[in-house]
This record gives sequence, structure tokens and C-alpha cells, in this order.
Amino acid sequence: EDQVTQSPEALRLQEGESSSLNCSYTVSGLRGLFWYRQDPGKGPEFLFTLYSAGEEKEKERLKATLTKKESFLHITAPKPEDSATYLCAVQASGSARQLTFGSGTQLTVLP
Amino acid sequence: NAGVTQTPKFRVLKTGQSMTLLCAQDMNHEYMYWYRQDPGMGLRLIHYSVGEGTTAKGEVPDGYNVSRLKKQNFLLGLESAAPSQTSVYFCASRPGFNTEAFFGQGTRLTVV
Repeated sequence: EDQVTQSPEALRLQEGESSSLNCSYTVSGLRGLFWYRQDPGKGPEFLFTLYSAGEEKEKERLKATLTKKESFLHITAPKPEDSATYLCAVQASGSARQLTFGSGTQLTVLP
Repeated sequence: NAGVTQTPKFRVLKTGQSMTLLCAQDMNHEYMYWYRQDPGMGLRLIHYSVGEGTTAKGEVPDGYNVSRLKKQNFLLGLESAAPSQTSVYFCASRPGFNTEAFFGQGTRLTVV
């Protein structure tokens, strides 16, 4: 059974205080790992896809990296508008048509 | 370009009532999904479809039925609502295998 675990469950940062969110996974052959951002009362919004270990992708203050067991979402010098819940999901070989999601990390950036 | 649109956005049902949630996408995507999101449990897959006329069960299908009569629409039905079905429901679509999913804005359902 595919499993995705995100940590921490909640994270509070001061504006400008860099940190990382973790997504560890156990799947039968990873085909892709997806990061989403979800604002309160809204649907998840796509951020990145990573396909192989060693791959990195960046967007503004966010950088996603991937190893064979986990992915990190690094947030550099965050701003209050980065406050949201960040979700990761995996596409596994054994579940070709489905994405399995973690429970998310709720990030709060204080001004 | 509307993307993925869910109807309704909010609904309150009494135990035992039935209802249908509608998901419509205008991106010509093959795959469509229904998830429910509960506090601390993330998104759990209810049912999904890989093309017009096809449906399949996800992780938590009990108490729900779906239909995909047209490619652009995916309907989620609750035949006899229960308080355990109180949740936020999200529809998503994606072009195909291993592509990103696009989500609707959600339907907040309360069963009393």
C-alpha cells in the first residue's frame, strides 16, 4: 500500500526565517511526486512535479527536491503570503491512475 | 477558461436525504476524481474515472456512487446521507497518467 507522510503537521515561522517541509513516501515504484499549495476554503493549487531522485525545481521562494525516500520543500525568506497548507502527492507504478496524498503541513508566516 | 467547476459550493442535508454533486471541466481531460478532505486526514480518493463511461472505486467508496456519462462531467451521488459524510468534497481532473491534477473550489457538505 502506498503511503505518504508529511512533517511537521504545522509550522510557524517569522517573516524571513527559512525552513523546510518534509514529505516521505513508501510506494511501489515512484513515477512522480507532486507538491500543491492549498489556501483556506479553496482547492489545492499545483506547484511542482518531480520525477527522479536528484531533481530540483524552483519557483520564487520555493524549491522542491527529491531523493529515493523523501522530498523537501524549502522555503527561503518566507513572506506572510506564503502562509497556506502544503500538500504532497505521489504517483506510483502500482496505482497508475491515482494520486496518493499526504495530510499536509500547515505553514504560518508571521509578519 | 473556467477549469474545474463544482456545484453546489455549500449544502446542508438531513440524515437519510440524497443529493448529487456536479463536477464540470472544460479542459478536455480524460481522468476525473472525487476526493473528500477531513481535518488531519488529507485528501482521500472516493471514486475516479479514466474516460467517458468508465468509473472505478477509490480508497473510501462506501455510501457514494458516481457517473461519467459525458467526458466533461463527473457526478457524485449520496443515496442516503449519514453524519460521517460531513466533509469537504473536491473534484479534480488531469489530462492523463502522471500529469498534474487541477482541482475545483470544493463543496462543503454538512449532514445533520
